[in-house]
Amino acid sequence: EAGVTQFPSHSVIEKGQTVTLRCDPISGHDNLYWYRRVMGKEIKFLLHFVKESKQDESGMPNNRFLAERTGGTYSTLKVQPAELEDSGVYFCASSPRGSTWDTEAFFGQGTRLTVV
Amino acid sequence: QKEVEQNSGPLSVPEGAIASLNCTYSDRGSQSFFWYRQYSGKSPELIMFIYSNGDKEDGRFTAQLNKASQYVSLLIRDSQPSDSATYLCAATPPGRRALTFGSGTRLQVQP
Repeated sequence: EAGVTQFPSHSVIEKGQTVTLRCDPISGHDNLYWYRRVMGKEIKFLLHFVKESKQDESGMPNNRFLAERTGGTYSTLKVQPAELEDSGVYFCASSPRGSTWDTEAFFGQGTRLTVV
Repeated sequence: QKEVEQNSGPLSVPEGAIASLNCTYSDRGSQSFFWYRQYSGKSPELIMFIYSNGDKEDGRFTAQLNKASQYVSLLIRDSQPSDSATYLCAATPPGRRALTFGSGTRLQVQP
């Protein structure tokens, strides 16, 4: 069974450009989470989808970040316009409906975003 | 004050020794605690979780939780060079599904 897949694995963009990150969760997983780790800091929660609905978006840093999960399958996270401080590793995680983090929740490998 | 705090390390131990990793949390209402291992450039991987005060053992790993002191620890017995990684402590704050992570402790096991 495929795990959580993230695209691209690396992205280097210039300040002011737009970048879209994609996460394909494990098939059938209703819960999808986005996290990010900026240099030297802890992994921080961004938002949580249950199917296509945003359950918790309290971690989204500002309105330059837009997350979508149309159809409740894959999700995209768009950063527009990107700023230098957006550089970091963006992780996605998914889990089945009703599960907790101790069962069947898995992280993807992450997308390393560098804004120059 | 960070919600989950860890010493960044590196913590260096010789092969075969016990590695002790520590974590404190600020929200007394947190219920669930997790230890993840992350190799460089890889995804975090769950290795232990604990909900109740006391010890929980799984193979070479023991998680310890002291809710009165708001303290969580992970012991790795018979440490191996393959255990060299960053260990992330995480908690679920009350009423939320999302994990709150510490910044991680880098462990180096010397052959």
